[in-house]
Amino acid sequence: KAGVTQTPRYLIKTRGQQVTLSCSPISGHRSVSWYQQTPGQGLQFLFEYFSETQRNKGNFPGRFSGRQFSNSRSEMNVSTLELGDSALYLCASSLVGGTGVGGNSPLHFGNGTRLTVT
Amino acid sequence: SQQGEEDPQALSIQEGENATMNCSYKTSINNLQWYRQNSGRGLVHLILIRSNEREKHSGRLRVTLDTSKKSSSLLITASRAADTASYFCATGGSGNTGKLIFGQGTTLQVKP
Repeated sequence: KAGVTQTPRYLIKTRGQQVTLSCSPISGHRSVSWYQQTPGQGLQFLFEYFSETQRNKGNFPGRFSGRQFSNSRSEMNVSTLELGDSALYLCASSLVGGTGVGGNSPLHFGNGTRLTVT
Repeated sequence: SQQGEEDPQALSIQEGENATMNCSYKTSINNLQWYRQNSGRGLVHLILIRSNEREKHSGRLRVTLDTSKKSSSLLITASRAADTASYFCATGGSGNTGKLIFGQGTTLQVKP
């Protein structure tokens, strides 16, 4: 099976612009989550989509948004970019149904999109 | 906010030695997972241990979980240069969701 694919791999944008990142999950995975990774804050959960619906959201401003399509592919959008949005954005997909007691199937991550805001 | 605190932040060992990383968390959990990240790449899932388990093995990896102390440890035995990476613990709440809370990670360097 092909892994999680994120495009583009690198992106350079200017403050005030907007950006759209794309994620194709592993075939059959219906849950797609997005994480932001920075040296200062570490890995932070942005949001999760399942069957085209957002079912979890982290503590990020409304400038961060996302969506999921019927084929489970997902996009996230950041509007009015700020310097602090520079980060590695990681997408992860997982199976639904859990693995017995305790839920939380393992996440399968893509290699991320490195966003630099200047 | 970070759920897990990992210790040590950085670890440097010689090939063949064992590496132990610790993770503490704050709230009750359903399971705890460990991930590895090579520089600038995505995370790779290593092992998942459920709250009703105390120990789990996978190849050269051994994970323990002590829910009374809210802590977990990851042991890598007979380390190799290829094990050089950052290691993160992550906790999940109730329900099967993609929302995990990650620790700050331990950077492991294995010298050949």
